[in-house]
Amino acid sequence: QKEVEQDPGPLSVPEGAIVSLNCTYSNSAFQYFMWYRQYSRKGPELLMYTYSSGNKEDGRFTAQVDKSSKYISLFIRDSQPSDSATYLCAMVLRTGNQFYFGTGTSLTVIP
Amino acid sequence: DGGITQSPKYLFRKEGQNVTLSCEQNLNHDAMYWYRQDPGQGLRLIYYSQIVNDFQKGDIAEGYSVSREKKESFPLTVTSAQKNPTAFYLCASYTWDGANYGYTFGSGTRLTVV
Repeated sequence: QKEVEQDPGPLSVPEGAIVSLNCTYSNSAFQYFMWYRQYSRKGPELLMYTYSSGNKEDGRFTAQVDKSSKYISLFIRDSQPSDSATYLCAMVLRTGNQFYFGTGTSLTVIP
Repeated sequence: DGGITQSPKYLFRKEGQNVTLSCEQNLNHDAMYWYRQDPGQGLRLIYYSQIVNDFQKGDIAEGYSVSREKKESFPLTVTSAQKNPTAFYLCASYTWDGANYGYTFGSGTRLTVV
């Protein structure tokens, strides 16, 4: 079983839709959870960072962590064509500095 | 601006050749990483280094080598022993001070075997 599971998609939505991206994980020791956005042929850039359980909001983006279910989500409200990218979830142990990545979900927002 | 610079952006390798990918950072980060990205497989860790003159193998180190002679630099050599080197290679750096962290990626090098 992989440490982190992420549905690769592809996911295609109309502009203005609410997008939900999800990852599950197996190691209950993960403490820090991140979402990265990667445009084609570019390096990933950090979108959201959360510690432990709960929600965090930044503009149109909301990151949610449910440690009891070992499940994290990224919600994108009012999606825009510029949101079209691959979204990678990542997580790290409390004492570690090695990141565990999901395989990424490819998102296309259609104008 | 601080960041990570990877070069070249595109690289072509002939069969049997060794090639070196450059990674330089001016973020004063201690730890640096090399990942390989293939479609549908996500990011796979090749090597990482937490301090100068020290590095560790990741999950797919075979056919690769690295050095860390300076804090700012972490070059990756793809040797002829790597049988399937065509991929997108990403360098990253990381710092953790107990309260905040930074994990920054370079813009990547696309290596193609010709």
